[in-house]
Amino acid sequence: EIQMTQSPSSLSAYVGGEVTITCRASQNIGDFYLNWYQQKPGRAPKLLIYASNRLESGVPSRISGSGSGTDYTLTITSLQPEDFATYYCQQSYTLPPTFGGGTKVDIK
Amino acid sequence: QVQLVESGGGLVKPGGSLRLSCVASGFSSSDYYMTWIRQAPGEGLEWVSYISKDGKTIYYADSVKGRFTISRDNAKNSLFLDMSSLRVEDTAVYYCARDQVARAGDSFDLWGQGTKVTVSS
Repeated sequence: EIQMTQSPSSLSAYVGGEVTITCRASQNIGDFYLNWYQQKPGRAPKLLIYASNRLESGVPSRISGSGSGTDYTLTITSLQPEDFATYYCQQSYTLPPTFGGGTKVDIK
Repeated sequence: QVQLVESGGGLVKPGGSLRLSCVASGFSSSDYYMTWIRQAPGEGLEWVSYISKDGKTIYYADSVKGRFTISRDNAKNSLFLDMSSLRVEDTAVYYCARDQVARAGDSFDLWGQGTKVTVSS
């Protein structure tokens, strides 16, 4: 089973600021098998980025993803109030699909 | 409206059984692999099981293998999860999700609102 490690586990940021979340896989997962989700309290996760850097339809362009191999990042610029949430990475390279532990982004 | 709606959660005693359902609307679920994912209270996400479009290919997480059974009824646009020999550690919100196997990334692009399962004596 591939382990996904996110860092940091939590962070605080200002509205209008920028955050970067890192996700590391325990083995090489190629270039296209990493996805990012956003989850707000009491709500289902929402897909933001698929295949490492492709923006899901309807997701604002201030959200972006990058990376390959074992190391991936999610970047959110010009933070908006609706961006304060928990973010999860997920690998789909091998079964079982596995998720990172989550990064909670709250308002500073 | 494209959506997934789960039902069937509740309180059950350890060793008991429960059947979760997920109904798709606004699209044909028979065109997609479908997945169950769960989230224990205050915890992260754990993939549970998936089923292919025709129901012939199925995989389970080791934590539920032999106890849970996934199935689907494409005529009713429905997905099911039969859970037996339930344990306290199965307590979680269970989400059904659409699996974009055919698209790069193989991501879960549509999620239901979740149904809560509590296993407690």
